[in-house]
Amino acid sequence: DSGVTQTPKHLITATGQRVTLRCSPRSGDLSVYWYQQSLDQGLQFLIQYYNGEERAKGNILERFSAQQFPDLHSELNLSSLELGDSALYFCASSEGRNTDTQYFGPGTRLTVL
Amino acid sequence: AQSVTQLGSHVSVSEGALVLLRCNYSSSVPPYLFWYVQYPNQGLQLLLKYTSAATLVKGINGFEAEFKKSETSFHLTKPSAHMSDAAEYFCAVSVFKAAGNKLTFGGGTRVLVKP
Repeated sequence: DSGVTQTPKHLITATGQRVTLRCSPRSGDLSVYWYQQSLDQGLQFLIQYYNGEERAKGNILERFSAQQFPDLHSELNLSSLELGDSALYFCASSEGRNTDTQYFGPGTRLTVL
Repeated sequence: AQSVTQLGSHVSVSEGALVLLRCNYSSSVPPYLFWYVQYPNQGLQLLLKYTSAATLVKGINGFEAEFKKSETSFHLTKPSAHMSDAAEYFCAVSVFKAAGNKLTFGGGTRVLVKP
């Protein structure tokens, strides 16, 4: 158990809908990262937050957004969902903002029908 | 920008045999390198990491990896495979950037262990 929790574990929804994925980092970690794992794209970095502020952005679609709250938990919002958004979404956390080891949660499997 | 290439998307080994998973990286600055393992229906678990200290890094579950700058490689080995090593393994690279930290992953290598 990495100490990173993610909810829900599974999510099934329809095209055009909006969903919210939640992540709680390890105790004491200030950075939260979101990654997408799909069969065709592999593991892709989406976005990093450090202590409530966006720090780095990767291949995140405009339909996707994230935030980190004062209690350091983070939410990833996915809107106008398409079939291709079906994937495993991982949250990771680290103590600092640069080069620290990232610890991954169990992931949320999103299925868009 | 950094990148990672893992040679071989699938590797089959016999129980008790050597496990060798290949990883080559590209980075314009000194990298930090990681190996993660993903068991079925689970998240990623850190096996080991290289952060510019010793070039031979020992990790959990008997795995180790050697950083070779001249070859831009960070291959993962385990002397004797166990059935429980069946999983997918990912090599990843990150670099120090004031703007933040992200991991760039290779495509993964799925390991099958035959009895």
